[in-house]
Amino acid sequence: AQSVTQLGSHVSVSEGALVLLRCNYSSSVPPYLFWYVQYPNQGLQLLLKYTTGATLVKGINGFEAEFKKSETSFHLTKPSAHMSDAAEYFCAVSGGNNDMRFGAGTRLTVKP
Amino acid sequence: KAGVTQTPRYLIKTRGQQVTLSCSPISGHRSVSWYQQTPGQGLQFLFEYFSETQRNKGNFPGRFSGRQFSNSRSEMNVSTLELGDSALYLCASSLALVPNTEAFFGQGTRLTVV
Repeated sequence: AQSVTQLGSHVSVSEGALVLLRCNYSSSVPPYLFWYVQYPNQGLQLLLKYTTGATLVKGINGFEAEFKKSETSFHLTKPSAHMSDAAEYFCAVSGGNNDMRFGAGTRLTVKP
Repeated sequence: KAGVTQTPRYLIKTRGQQVTLSCSPISGHRSVSWYQQTPGQGLQFLFEYFSETQRNKGNFPGRFSGRQFSNSRSEMNVSTLELGDSALYLCASSLALVPNTEAFFGQGTRLTVV
């Protein structure tokens, strides 16, 4: 079975500051890891995913995440926050059973 | 190409009633998953269908059921509604039944039980 834990239900940054959203996973099989973003009253949109290969994954809108097996982490970063980045972010893990498990989500607020 | 379409977008039902939600996946996608999203529990996996067969099921009571048709469209049904069933129900479709496949989400159906 797999699961993810997102540290911090709410993160607030200033516009232009670094965004760091934390995700730790647990999986009994090599994991596939995802970050999704959800804007108000919308479904989820894929930001990036890690399957195999390069551990630093680049996604849309300037986001990237690094898979660290030794730390069982898959933290999401963006060098400079924009107001449009304000949303809820979900980390997810999928394993051998193809049932994707989501973290509780982190709401990102960007202050002007 | 059209995205995942969920209907209706909003629904208000009374306790004890039943409800059916519909999801039309992206054309060519054969896998459809359903999730329940609430402020307290977050996103919880309900079930997944592929080629009209339920392949995975989450930890929900039997009041929650679903099906998939030959055109890959899916419905989920909740019987004997409870107040706690109020949630955003999200449907996601993907091309295949493999763990690394991207899931595309619809905008959801917001169900309110009164």
